[in-house]
Amino acid sequence: QKEVEQDPGPLSVPEGAIVSLNCTYSNSAFQYFMWYRQYSRKGPELLMYTYSSGNKEDGRFTAQVDKSSKYISLFIRDSQPSDSATYLCAMSAGGGNKLTFGTGTQLKVEL
Amino acid sequence: GAVVSQHPSRVICKSGTSVKIECRSLDFQATTMFWYRQFPKKSLMLMATSNEGSKATYEQGVEKDKFLINHASLTLSTLTVTSAHPEDSSFYICSATPGKYEQYFGPGTRLTVT
Repeated sequence: QKEVEQDPGPLSVPEGAIVSLNCTYSNSAFQYFMWYRQYSRKGPELLMYTYSSGNKEDGRFTAQVDKSSKYISLFIRDSQPSDSATYLCAMSAGGGNKLTFGTGTQLKVEL
Repeated sequence: GAVVSQHPSRVICKSGTSVKIECRSLDFQATTMFWYRQFPKKSLMLMATSNEGSKATYEQGVEKDKFLINHASLTLSTLTVTSAHPEDSSFYICSATPGKYEQYFGPGTRLTVT
C-alpha cells in the first residue's frame, strides 16, 4: 500500500463546475499538507498548505484536512479552463522534512 | 515571494559528458533543498536532500557518484549528472524550503542525452 493514494484521473468538468480532488494517506505522523498545481513541462506551484486538521480558504480554493480519517481534499469553485493541470497532494511529518507526494490528478476544465 | 529558479531550463548533451544544473532561491534563504526527477505523466521522485554545508542525503537506489549534489550556500544548490547516458534523460526539478514545512519548486530542467 502506498503511503499516499490519489486518483490519477483524468477528471473532466465543464467550466464553472465545482471540482473536488482528494487524497488518502496511511502515515499518522503526517502533520503538514500541501496542494500543488503543475502545468505540463513546468515545476509544481504551491497552491495551499495547512497544518493538522481543518479548513483553509484562498479565493476559489478550499483545502480540507481530516486527520481522523486520513483524508484531505482540495475544492475548486467556479472552475476555469486555466485550472486545467495536474494537481498533486503532498504531506510531511515536520518542518524541513521531505514531502511524500500523491501520484497527481489530471484535471481538464472544458468550455 | 518564494521564487526558485533553475538553470538551464533545457539542455542537450552527448552520452558520456557531464551536465550541471543550478537551483537558486531568489528571495529567501533555503536551509534545505531537494532534487527530484520526474518521468512523463508520473509524479515526482525524490533523489536527494541537500543541507547547506553538509553532504547530501540520497534516496535508496540513487547513485551518489553519478548525481553529485553541492549546496554551497543558503541560496544555491547544484546537481551534476556525471557521465550522462540516454537513460538519464528526464525532467529534473529542485525545490527549496525556508525552514518551514512548505517547499517551493523551480521550473525544472529538461535533460536530453543523445
